[in-house]
Amino acid sequence: SQTIHQWPATLVQPVGSPLSLECTVEGTSNPNLYWYRQAAGRGLQLLFYSVGIGQISSEVPQNLSASRPQDRQFILSSKKLLLSDSGFYLCAWSAIGDAAFFGQGTRLTVV
Amino acid sequence: AQKVTQAQTEISVVEKEDVTLDCVYETRDTTYYLFWYKQPPSGELVFLIRRNSFDEQNEISGRYSWNFQKSTSSFNFTITASQVVDSAVYFCALSCSRVHTPLSPMDSSYKLIFGSGTRLLVRP
Repeated sequence: SQTIHQWPATLVQPVGSPLSLECTVEGTSNPNLYWYRQAAGRGLQLLFYSVGIGQISSEVPQNLSASRPQDRQFILSSKKLLLSDSGFYLCAWSAIGDAAFFGQGTRLTVV
Repeated sequence: AQKVTQAQTEISVVEKEDVTLDCVYETRDTTYYLFWYKQPPSGELVFLIRRNSFDEQNEISGRYSWNFQKSTSSFNFTITASQVVDSAVYFCALSCSRVHTPLSPMDSSYKLIFGSGTRLLVRP
């Protein structure tokens, strides 16, 4: 069966520090991968999605970047965090047209 | 462009009432998929249902039922005899399915777009 792992679960980082959130999927190959952000009490904003290794589409210009170095690995990064980067970050995978299955999320607080 | 609208920001009902969550979508594609997810206070997103654009049959699963109407581009979700445990934020989502080709490797239809969510509060 397929599983998705996302870590860390919570993170407190100072403004200006770098960020690296990692997501890995097991039990499937060539998944579509997604990074979403959810601000407190708000909806899900699609940040990045990827259909294959090295193929990243950015949805919103911002202080973040994503990479897919391996088929089932998706990394969200920032060189210098801003206060506005705080939020709940969710990684997800899907097969084409299928439901997306989500990791447990990372709650990031930038202080 | 793809878009999902959940006009109801928050709904409050008393336990055992029926409640319907509305979802209206926009897409130019003829093949697409619709989803509902539940986000309890713990934060993780729980998949509830997937529907493809060629299947307009309504579906019932226990106290949950879904009404898909292409004519009005709606995919509404009804909870019958609501319970306190149903309290959560519910998201409707849309994904379009196209074949990945070398000429369009980042076709936008792979995006899974969510509505803004409806917060449901079921009071005892």
